[in-house]
Amino acid sequence: KAGVTQTPRYLIKTRGQQVTLSCSPISGHRSVSWYQQTPGQGLQFLFEYFSETQRNKGNFPGRFSGRQFSNSRSEMNVSTLELGDSALYLCASSSGTVEETQYFGPGTRLLVL
Amino acid sequence: GEDVEQSLFLSVREGDSSVINCTYTDSSSTYLYWYKQEPGAGLQLLTYIFSNMDMKQDQRLTVLLNKKDKHLSLRIADTQTGDSAIYFCAESISGNTGKLIFGQGTTLQVKP
Repeated sequence: KAGVTQTPRYLIKTRGQQVTLSCSPISGHRSVSWYQQTPGQGLQFLFEYFSETQRNKGNFPGRFSGRQFSNSRSEMNVSTLELGDSALYLCASSSGTVEETQYFGPGTRLLVL
Repeated sequence: GEDVEQSLFLSVREGDSSVINCTYTDSSSTYLYWYKQEPGAGLQLLTYIFSNMDMKQDQRLTVLLNKKDKHLSLRIADTQTGDSAIYFCAESISGNTGKLIFGQGTTLQVKP
């Protein structure tokens, strides 16, 4: 089975712009979770989507949003970018059942100038 | 509250055993995980343990869980230079779907 894929792998944006990141889960997985990784804050949970519905949400401002499509692919959008949004954005897929082992993609590294 | 703590750095000699420790605060943990991150890469799942288990062994990896003390450890036997990476422990909480709470990560340095 193919693993979790994320595109693009690298992005450079300027303050005020918006960005969309994409994640394709492992085939058959219905849950996609998004995380932000920074040196200062570590790994922080953004949100989780299951069957096209946001099922859980972390403590991030409304500038961070996401969606999931019927094929379980997910996108994450950040509007009005700030310098502090520079980070590695990781998505993880799982079956969405109780056991919920999450498998991570390689990440998208976003640099905001 | 939700908090996971790890020591930040561990240095061992090639061939020795490594033990990476983790403590957590939430007693509603369902599963506890160990992930490995190499430079510039995502997180690789190493192993996981259900919260009602004490121990799990998987080849060179041994996970010990002390639920009373909320303490988790990962032992890597015969540590190799390729094991040099950052190791994260993480917990999932009952009712908190899709969310893992991560420690800060332990950097393992393996000296030849």
